[in-house]
Amino acid sequence: GESVGLHLPTLSVQEGDNSIINCAYSNSASDYFIWYKQESGKGPQFIIDIRSNMDKRQGQRVTVLLNKTVKHLSLQIAATQPGDSAVYFCAEIPYGQNFVFGPGTRLSVLP
Amino acid sequence: NAGVTQTPKFQVLKTGQSMTLQCAQDMNHEYMSWYRQDPGMGLRLIHYSVGAGITDQGEVPNGYNVSRSTTEDFPLRLLSAAPSQTSVYFCASSYSNRRTDTQYFGPGTRLTVL
Repeated sequence: GESVGLHLPTLSVQEGDNSIINCAYSNSASDYFIWYKQESGKGPQFIIDIRSNMDKRQGQRVTVLLNKTVKHLSLQIAATQPGDSAVYFCAEIPYGQNFVFGPGTRLSVLP
Repeated sequence: NAGVTQTPKFQVLKTGQSMTLQCAQDMNHEYMSWYRQDPGMGLRLIHYSVGAGITDQGEVPNGYNVSRSTTEDFPLRLLSAAPSQTSVYFCASSYSNRRTDTQYFGPGTRLTVL
């Protein structure tokens, strides 16, 4: 919902441009990662995942990059559309442990 | 399929009141969980269940109870509401507790405790 996003960093991009959303994770034992999209007033929705044995994974208009050296994930959205406006957050999942969710970044697509 | 449904969508309570947040799924998923989402923070796990009759605590279980009498339903009970429990609550389900199974989230319940 809107109140969840009030304290989040915001990325504003022009419609049609590419978006890059970043996420730093904390646990070097994390070997599985997920990106979620959360539209206003809705629950989170799975976008794409990546295992630590990969550096890059592509989906439809989305690409996730993983840099294990600096414990950093990024989500790239190609040709950003108005429907992409949402909060995006990552989750790190060490084997046998619970998900750890990041606070997220609000993506605002400008017409 | 309706997916994961939650009721109510909004709720205002006074300190000390109790209430139950309802969650149901029609996907025959074994794993269900409750999270809370607070401004500027990531989702935090409250309680989870790996199947009917089995529940366990997550990261922030204090002040909440759960039960799982059926596969479909996983209600969250607030025993004596406190202002610190003001949050948005999400229920989620997945086929199993394997981390690679996609979790499906409900639309959330926005709770305000005065």
